[in-house]
Amino acid sequence: KNEVEQSPQNLTAQEGEFITINCSYSVGISALHWLQQHPGGGIVSLFMLSSGKKKHGRLIATINIQEKHSSLHITASHPRDSAVYICAVKSDSNYQLIWGAGTKLIIKP
Amino acid sequence: DGGITQSPKYLFRKEGQNVTLSCEQNLNHDAMYWYRQDPGQGLRLIYYSQIVNDFQKGDIAEGYSVSREKKESFPLTVTSAQKNPTAFYLCATAVRGVNYGYTFGSGTRLTVV
Repeated sequence: KNEVEQSPQNLTAQEGEFITINCSYSVGISALHWLQQHPGGGIVSLFMLSSGKKKHGRLIATINIQEKHSSLHITASHPRDSAVYICAVKSDSNYQLIWGAGTKLIIKP
Repeated sequence: DGGITQSPKYLFRKEGQNVTLSCEQNLNHDAMYWYRQDPGQGLRLIYYSQIVNDFQKGDIAEGYSVSREKKESFPLTVTSAQKNPTAFYLCATAVRGVNYGYTFGSGTRLTVV
């Protein structure tokens, strides 16, 4: 079993829908990152969380440390949100990053 | 503004040539990392360095080399020994300590023809 699991692997939705991407992990962490990667493009850091909730524009990220779970929400989704969203956790034992496999999101107009 | 500069964004090389990818940071972070991503796959650790003049192999170091002569710079050389060098390469930095996360470059996409 992977130490960081993302779900779903693939998600297709209509423009305007509320999107939720999940990340569960099994190790102790000191931080969790959400990143975005457009097809053929670079990586953009969206959020770093160690507790609670963060919001930036239409993006909201939450983390529940006790349940070892984080969610990334997109409100009023738009085709430009189509990308791969990656969760990565910083281990609190060796400070290394453990990566999720990513969630491929397609938003149809 | 502090950050990580990876250059270039896209790089093309002929098979059999060594190529060096640049990663420069002005964040004064101690630790620097190189990751590789293959199409449709997750990122994997190639090499990392936690202090100047010291570096460690990650999970897929074969065919790669690094140096850390300055705190700001951690170049990655993809050698001709790397069998499948075409991939996306990501540089990241971190401050040692529990309460800090990572900072990420935007990546370099290397294509070997």
